[in-house]
Amino acid sequence: GQNIDQPTEMTATEGAIVQINCTYQTSGFNGLFWYQQHAGEAPTFLSYNVLDGLEEKGRFSSFLSRSKGYSYLLLKELQMKDSASYLCAVSEGNYQLIWGAGTKLIIKP
Amino acid sequence: IAGITQAPTSQILAAGRRMTLRCTQDMRHNAMYWYRQDLGLGLRLIHYSNTAGTTGKGEVPDGYSVSRANTDDFPLTLASAVPSQTSVYFCASSDGGSVDEQFFGPGTRLTVL
Repeated sequence: GQNIDQPTEMTATEGAIVQINCTYQTSGFNGLFWYQQHAGEAPTFLSYNVLDGLEEKGRFSSFLSRSKGYSYLLLKELQMKDSASYLCAVSEGNYQLIWGAGTKLIIKP
Repeated sequence: IAGITQAPTSQILAAGRRMTLRCTQDMRHNAMYWYRQDLGLGLRLIHYSNTAGTTGKGEVPDGYSVSRANTDDFPLTLASAVPSQTSVYFCASSDGGSVDEQFFGPGTRLTVL
């Protein structure tokens, strides 16, 4: 069946690096998305990976391994404003995304 | 209007009442989506529309209906609300299909008593 797994919650320190993992099992694969969602707000797009490897965008990077059904989001130089939930979503090739439950990231001073 | 808007922001509704959640986008995006978000669960797709005049069922369509009379508007109707429909509802749009970034509205917090 379809399944996306992410840790429920992670804690990290301001200025440090954190890696948020996502594993997936879906019937099709047409790319993987990461979104950021601050509490009480709408999700906003962070990254999209369709090929294996690392995509870097400023302090945020996203990695994909299609053969392992695995992705991670790497956040560097953590800031307090990075406290949010991070959502992993997989496109199966139609108009529907399959979403993980999200990882709540808590940043401590 | 800038981007995608939803109305109302929040609503408390008696069970059995009919309710329409409104969604409007000004980006001329072809595709639009309705999701519900519940604590501990991922976003779940209720209905979607690939283009004006067409709609499709998502993962959790029961109890909901949509229409897409034009490009900009995509209302979601609860014909007879039930407490299990208490949730945060997000409308989203994208330029194309599921490989394109989705832009989300601010959400509607609905409580059904």
